[in-house]
Amino acid sequence: DIVMTQSPDSLAVSLGERATINCKSSQSVLYRSNNKNYLAWYQQKSGQPPKLLIYWASTRESGVSDRFSGSGSGTDFTLTISALQAEDVAVYYCHQYYSTPYTFGQGTKLEIK
Amino acid sequence: QVQLVQSGAEAKKPGTSVKVSCKTSGYTFTTYYIHWVRQAPGQGLEWMGVIDPSGGSTNYAQKFQGRVTMTRDTSTSTVYMELSSLRSEDTAVYYCAKRGGSSGSNWFDPWGQGTLVTVSS
Repeated sequence: DIVMTQSPDSLAVSLGERATINCKSSQSVLYRSNNKNYLAWYQQKSGQPPKLLIYWASTRESGVSDRFSGSGSGTDFTLTISALQAEDVAVYYCHQYYSTPYTFGQGTKLEIK
Repeated sequence: QVQLVQSGAEAKKPGTSVKVSCKTSGYTFTTYYIHWVRQAPGQGLEWMGVIDPSGGSTNYAQKFQGRVTMTRDTSTSTVYMELSSLRSEDTAVYYCAKRGGSSGSNWFDPWGQGTLVTVSS
């Protein structure tokens, strides 16, 4: 199984500042034949189901604020939230869909400082 | 718009089974796989398996092999997840989620609202 490890576990950022969440996979999720990274990011607010933010490691889902961006390749990935807003308070998960069983990072809790 | 609407909360005794439904709408049911993911209280996300609504084929996580059964009803565009031999550790919110895109695009979007299953004697 591919193990996904996020860092940090929790993060407090001031309004208007940048938040950075990291995700590392135990093996590469880059599929060489199409040069795509099989990595997604989700946002989960309290009491709600997860919401897709990013897929293919860096493609923003339609309707998602452009303050959210994803980067990285192979085994190391980053979710960046620029200019943090109060509505961004949530738990964020990375997810590999390269191979079954599909797995998630343990989550990063983002709060306002 | 695409919607996945799940059945309501369940309270079960250890050793029994639970069957959760996920009714889909807003797209062609047989085109996209449906995944099941669970989340124990205060914990992270755990993938359970996937069903292809077109032919009914399934792929279960090893952890749940022998205890989980995913089925579908094409006449009502509904997918079901049954988990048997329940134990207290199965207490969780169970989500269904649609595959996000075409073949290989196994991100999850959207998700159902979740079904809380509580296992307690």
